[in-house]
Amino acid sequence: RKEVEQDPGPFNVPEGATVAFNCTYSNSASQSFFWYRQDCRKEPKLLMSVYSSGNEDGRFTAQLNRASQYISLLIRDSKLSDSATYLCAVNEKGGGADGLTFGKGTHLIIQP
Amino acid sequence: DVKVTQSSRYLVKRTGEKVFLECVQDMDHENMFWYRQDPGLGLRLIYFSYDVKMKEKGDIPEGYSVSREKKERFSLILESASTNQTSMYLCASSFGTFYEQYFGPGTRLTVT
Repeated sequence: RKEVEQDPGPFNVPEGATVAFNCTYSNSASQSFFWYRQDCRKEPKLLMSVYSSGNEDGRFTAQLNRASQYISLLIRDSKLSDSATYLCAVNEKGGGADGLTFGKGTHLIIQP
Repeated sequence: DVKVTQSSRYLVKRTGEKVFLECVQDMDHENMFWYRQDPGLGLRLIYFSYDVKMKEKGDIPEGYSVSREKKERFSLILESASTNQTSMYLCASSFGTFYEQYFGPGTRLTVT
């Protein structure tokens, strides 16, 4: 199985700051990309899909760089409630129903 | 909203017991998945299913089996539970191969 790599952090960021983290993937044939948010002892929840053209949802922006094989997540005007672990996920195979390959997550702590 | 439910939030079993974990989704999704999540190891795919009565091994199928008799239900079976199967078990479903996955709340299994 191919690798999906994330900086585990923790990222300690003051409230109101902008924070960005990347996720690299090794399979150039990867087709779909997602960011999930996971709170402590809870299930991962879909934050946003990542499209080739980049996409934005409020304070969150996701981008895909196919040439360098990474996706990024930018959080602007960070809130205390943004503290969580952020998982990237990549579907690496075409034609089958294989599960997503998840990174191990980046732990984000927003400090007051 | 997609709803994925799991039969138990917490479960304690003894070594050697047969354990059944059940997952139900209400969105008519084709694909269903079982993962386990352990600290430092991230999410790992155990089995997945892309149709009723169809199943495929994931990355770590040893010691597990699955059953999908109805489209909405996917069961994970630990034939003879062992202490190294103590983990958080997460079920997920998706519409199709390149689509996002939605997770259930998880079952925290302890094998003593």
